[in-house]
Amino acid sequence: ETGVTQSPTHLIKTRGQQVTLRCSSQSGHNTVSWYQQALGQGPQFIFQYYREEENGRGNFPPRFSGLQFPNYSSELNVNALELDDSALYLCASSSTLSGGQVYGYTFGSGTRLTVV
Amino acid sequence: AQSVTQLGSHVSVSEGALVLLRCNYSSSVPPYLFWYVQYPNQGLQLLLKYTSAATLVKGINGFEAEFKKSETSFHLTKPSAHMSDAAEYFCAVSLNNAGNMLTFGGGTRLMVKP
Repeated sequence: ETGVTQSPTHLIKTRGQQVTLRCSSQSGHNTVSWYQQALGQGPQFIFQYYREEENGRGNFPPRFSGLQFPNYSSELNVNALELDDSALYLCASSSTLSGGQVYGYTFGSGTRLTVV
Repeated sequence: AQSVTQLGSHVSVSEGALVLLRCNYSSSVPPYLFWYVQYPNQGLQLLLKYTSAATLVKGINGFEAEFKKSETSFHLTKPSAHMSDAAEYFCAVSLNNAGNMLTFGGGTRLMVKP
């Protein structure tokens, strides 16, 4: 059973650019969540996808967007990068059952984004 | 709105000593509470979770936490610290019983002295 994998592990972008981060869910998981963790702080919830639809969003502007694919992998896209977007981006996959119960909430190791 | 406060951004203990990491929550409804550990350059690993069953929750690596509604607290303890426990610890709350869409505290860095 593979875990949650994120790519790339590190990248550097220039202010104003766009970036795409990727997450491969753990086998059997149908839900993916994304978090932003600034240096020295706790993670902040960005949004969650279930069956290719966004079903929850935190306090992040629309330039943060996402996709979930039929194989349950996911992308996080950030447009018009700002210096404050520099952070560790974590994704977590889980299995949501028809009754809403969630199992196996598992985090990846993250992508470290630096905006210069 | 829900929130989590972790008292003490840094805690230092000697190897073999008691570990106590504090977490207080604010929630208008009964919450679901979690403790996660993060080692350098790694993701978050679940230590334990409270989902309205027993108030004393046992987790991995000898950690446990007690839910105290009257104090709105969910402090993490371990009787005897090991060097390998040195890491960042996060308390988190979720309003839904799914245990996702977590709100995290600011974290406590635990240092263990030999």
